Amino acid sequence: AQRVTQPEKLLSVFKGAPVELKCNYSYSGSPELFWYVQYSRQRLQLLLRHISRESIKGFTADLNKGETSFHLKKPFAQEEDSAMYYCALRNDYKLSFGAGTTVTVRA
Amino acid sequence: GAGVSQSPSNKVTEKGKDVELRCDPISGHTALYWYRQSLGQGLEFLIYFQGNSAPDKSGLPSDRFSAERTGGSVSTLTIQRTQQEDSAVYLCASSLGPSRNTIYFGEGSWLTVV
Repeated sequence: AQRVTQPEKLLSVFKGAPVELKCNYSYSGSPELFWYVQYSRQRLQLLLRHISRESIKGFTADLNKGETSFHLKKPFAQEEDSAMYYCALRNDYKLSFGAGTTVTVRA
Repeated sequence: GAGVSQSPSNKVTEKGKDVELRCDPISGHTALYWYRQSLGQGLEFLIYFQGNSAPDKSGLPSDRFSAERTGGSVSTLTIQRTQQEDSAVYLCASSLGPSRNTIYFGEGSWLTVV
């Protein structure tokens, strides 16, 4: 069975500080992993997918198959990064989500 | 349309009443999903449609929940005899196909059962 774990429910950082959101997964096959973000009063939207290997809004995430992790990182957090972040794993058609991490960036 | 559209955006209903939630996916998207977002439960998968067929209904919590899709487009999620534990945000999502395509979400229908 597939499972996505986000151990931190809440994360608070100061503006300009680095931020890292942890995500671990369990999956028997070759995973397809994503980070979705939900800003206040907005819809859930795709932030990153591991196969793209790109940086979006300064965020990066590297798939580590040995540690079964897909942590999300940004070197310098901004106030507009305050949001709910979900790590997700896709098996064929279905997305399975972690519980989410609420990030608050303080001035 | 430009994105996945859901209605109503907010619904307050009395316990025991039936509710219908509607989803208009992005035009041309054959795959459609319903998820439920609630405090303490995160994002739960409910059902997946490919075209008008639902090959995976495994996430529907009980037989009070049902969904259909017509014309390969609009989908309706129906909750019969609503209970307070049904209170949640119901999210619809769609994608071009079942795999390797980005899944786009609607803004959700916030259901409150009183």
